[in-house]
Amino acid sequence: KQEVTQIPAALSVPEGENLVLNCSFTDSAIYNLQWFRQDPGKGLTSLLLIQSSQREQTSGRLNASLDKSSGRSTLYIAASQPGDSATYLCAVRPSGGYNKLIFGAGTRLAVHP
Amino acid sequence: DAGVIQSPRHEVTEMGQEVTLRCKPISGHNSLFWYRQTMMRGLELLIYFNNNVPIDDSGMPEDRFSAKMPNASFSTLKIQPSEPRDSAVYFCASSLTQGGGYTFGSGTRLTVV
Repeated sequence: KQEVTQIPAALSVPEGENLVLNCSFTDSAIYNLQWFRQDPGKGLTSLLLIQSSQREQTSGRLNASLDKSSGRSTLYIAASQPGDSATYLCAVRPSGGYNKLIFGAGTRLAVHP
Repeated sequence: DAGVIQSPRHEVTEMGQEVTLRCKPISGHNSLFWYRQTMMRGLELLIYFNNNVPIDDSGMPEDRFSAKMPNASFSTLKIQPSEPRDSAVYFCASSLTQGGGYTFGSGTRLTVV
């Protein structure tokens, strides 16, 4: 059974720091991995999608890496800003069965000025 | 594309009433998912449709919940009768079956009093 774990559960940092959010999954048989952002009371916004054949994806200050064999992904946020404060969710799409998205519990990030 | 469209955005209803949530997926996406999010349980997959056919409804809490997808552009999630413990945010998401990322709607915040 696929399980997704995110560490840390919460993070509070001063503005300007470079951050690393971690995601691990137990079964390497995946189609892809997706990082989402959720602001309080809002929906999920897709940040980055990494296919199983890819090693990383970049969008602006965000970079996500994928090491499928070790079951790990990291989301790197450069030069963090208060506007980055949100919950970040990692989700994997298994390649077998019904391939429904399996979510981690999220990392709650607070960036203070 | 307008993205995944959900209605209503907010719903307040009395216990025992019927509630219907609506979703329009992204045109061309052939998979549709209903999720429920609460503080206690996080994101839970309720049901998954592929090409308008329900594939996995193991997450539907009980018989009070039902979902339909009469065509590729519309789905409903119905709760009858509603109970206070059904209060949550309900999200709809769509994707391409193979290898695509998920796109989420903005959600419906349901409050049952």
